[in-house]
Amino acid sequence: NAGVTQTPKFRVLKTGQSMTLLCAQDMNHEYMYWYRQDPGMGLRLIHYSVGEGTTAKGEVPDGYNVSRLKKQNFLLGLESAAPSQTSVYFCASSYLTVNTEAFFGQGTRLTVV
Amino acid sequence: GESVGLHLPTLSVQEGDNSIINCAYSNSASDYFIWYKQESGKGPQFIIDIRSNMDKRQGQRVTVLLNKTVKHLSLQIAATQPGDSAVYFCAENPVSGNTPLVFGKGTRLSVIA
Repeated sequence: NAGVTQTPKFRVLKTGQSMTLLCAQDMNHEYMYWYRQDPGMGLRLIHYSVGEGTTAKGEVPDGYNVSRLKKQNFLLGLESAAPSQTSVYFCASSYLTVNTEAFFGQGTRLTVV
Repeated sequence: GESVGLHLPTLSVQEGDNSIINCAYSNSASDYFIWYKQESGKGPQFIIDIRSNMDKRQGQRVTVLLNKTVKHLSLQIAATQPGDSAVYFCAENPVSGNTPLVFGKGTRLSVIA
């Protein structure tokens, strides 16, 4: 099993450009998450999903949109990228939200210039 | 590797010594806690977890201690090895419905050979 797979691994965007980050999991997990990681800030939750067709806001949702059209995929979109969105993005999934571990992808390093 | 954790607290330990990494969590109602390890350029990986009805749990070379009175969690690594060098995060699962894990800011462990 591949676990959680993120594409792309690296990307450079110009301010104002848009892009979509793709997360795929093959563990049949109900719950999926997008986090961003910045130096000294730990992992901060952007959006998450508790099942196919559902999404919810996390701690830092502004500037991002998500979609969960299929259970195995969770897409993170940036409609108009800003330099403040330069970060490393991690997708994760879990069987449940409570009392279970989350499995993480390898990350996407995004630079907005 | 990625430059995550530039301003993290750092713990330097001699190879073969024991390491203790501490974490203060925020929500007194949290009932599940996890320690993750993140190596450079990779996503966080599960190390060990503990539920709030326990105060200690042991794994292979690792022990997690939970003190609910002062909302403190610690990770002890026995006979630290160079491969243990990484950033370590604690995460808590607040008991409030489908609430995802909340992560601490992390501690960088540097093992001196």
